[in-house]
Amino acid sequence: GAVVSQHPSWVICKSGTSVKIECRSLDFQATTMFWYRQFPKQSLMLMATSNEGSKATYEQGVEKDKFLINHASLTLSTLTVTSAHPEDSSFYICSAATTSGSFTGELFFGEGSRLTVL
Amino acid sequence: AQTVTQSQPEMSVQEAETVTLSCTYDTSESNYYLFWYKQPPSRQMILVIRQEAYKQQNATENRFSVNFQKAAKSFSLKISDSQLGDTAMYFCAFMKRRSSGDKLTFGTGTRLAVRP
Repeated sequence: GAVVSQHPSWVICKSGTSVKIECRSLDFQATTMFWYRQFPKQSLMLMATSNEGSKATYEQGVEKDKFLINHASLTLSTLTVTSAHPEDSSFYICSAATTSGSFTGELFFGEGSRLTVL
Repeated sequence: AQTVTQSQPEMSVQEAETVTLSCTYDTSESNYYLFWYKQPPSRQMILVIRQEAYKQQNATENRFSVNFQKAAKSFSLKISDSQLGDTAMYFCAFMKRRSSGDKLTFGTGTRLAVRP
């Protein structure tokens, strides 16, 4: 149980275009999902916290208009990189916590989406 | 702000031997959670072990155990009887619960290679 799936796993786009990445919790409901960015051989940096039915909370330094997050249902959150530029190329990872049972703090991660902007 | 430091960028261990990965953190909080996550090559990150700060007993999960020193703000991971499948990037992480969504702060990771 507790499977999180991301799509697409990799995407190449031209500079100036927008790219949407989906994050789905397959077998549980996720009130909250998280979006991270991971640079090569570096740690994961939290970009934003996505709450179902409300606006996302962005971390300091993350451009809200550049990285649009929508959490329209309890099983789906999307990250749209708008007007992508080469510096947006990175590995994007989502995670979610199950709300069932007692709190453990464990997060379940998607496979990640590698974005390359030409 | 919380920070998590992993001072060993890379480690190597012989199969069947024991290895310890280091992690220190900085926080003014008294109640929090600590985790070790494993990120295998081209695969999803998965939880290895977790520790609640208010529990003094060190967590164990089969071959994985931690040495949690709250006063020293240290949280090391010991892997016993290392297996080839343990080869991965290991991230130490700190979580403080907050009303806007629990935030997980990761260390920079330690790349572990298990040699046959």
